[in-house]
Amino acid sequence: QKEVEQNSGPLSVPEGAIASLNCTYSDRGSQSFFWYRQYSGKSPELIMFIYSNGDKEDGRFTAQLNKASQYVSLLIRDSQPSDSATYLCAVDAGGTSYGKLTFGQGTILTVHP
Amino acid sequence: GAGVSQTPSNKVTEKGKYVELRCDPISGHTALYWYRQSLGQGPEFLIYFQGTGAADDSGLPNDRFFAVRPEGSVSTLKIQRTERGDSAVYLCASSLTGLAVGQYFGPGTRLTVT
Repeated sequence: QKEVEQNSGPLSVPEGAIASLNCTYSDRGSQSFFWYRQYSGKSPELIMFIYSNGDKEDGRFTAQLNKASQYVSLLIRDSQPSDSATYLCAVDAGGTSYGKLTFGQGTILTVHP
Repeated sequence: GAGVSQTPSNKVTEKGKYVELRCDPISGHTALYWYRQSLGQGPEFLIYFQGTGAADDSGLPNDRFFAVRPEGSVSTLKIQRTERGDSAVYLCASSLTGLAVGQYFGPGTRLTVT
């Protein structure tokens, strides 16, 4: 059973702080890793993807990947109330199932003013 | 341009009835995916189409679920003899190729089986 695990939260941070979201996965063959943001009642929206070990930065977001530890994280700097949402970690199995994503249950993030 | 669209946005049906959920992907996207999301959970993969063919249907829970994409564009997810446990939001996504990057989700169909 291929699994993706996230702490469901809720994670509460003050405005302007760094929010740190974590995810572990079980399938060592996984090749691509994604972070989606989902506002209540809306569909998931891709915000970051990462393939290689290390950090990838895009604006206020940084994704970090450690394949040896099977760990991927998302840092949100200068958190804003508009960042309050559920953050979903997703893993692509690769191989012949490109595009088949396995999602974690999501971490609820609340940024309070 | 237009994103992924899904109809209906909401569907309420009685246990045992048949339902069809429609997905219209972004124009030119060859890959189409169906997921199901229950409250408090992440989306769960159901089936993946590359063109007209189902490249991976390993997520369909049982033979009451079936999906088609006859012309390689619009897809229909069909559920026979619905059960209360089928209640969920059914999400469709499409991408330009078969790679996960650039997978865009539609707004979903909320299915309620009473």
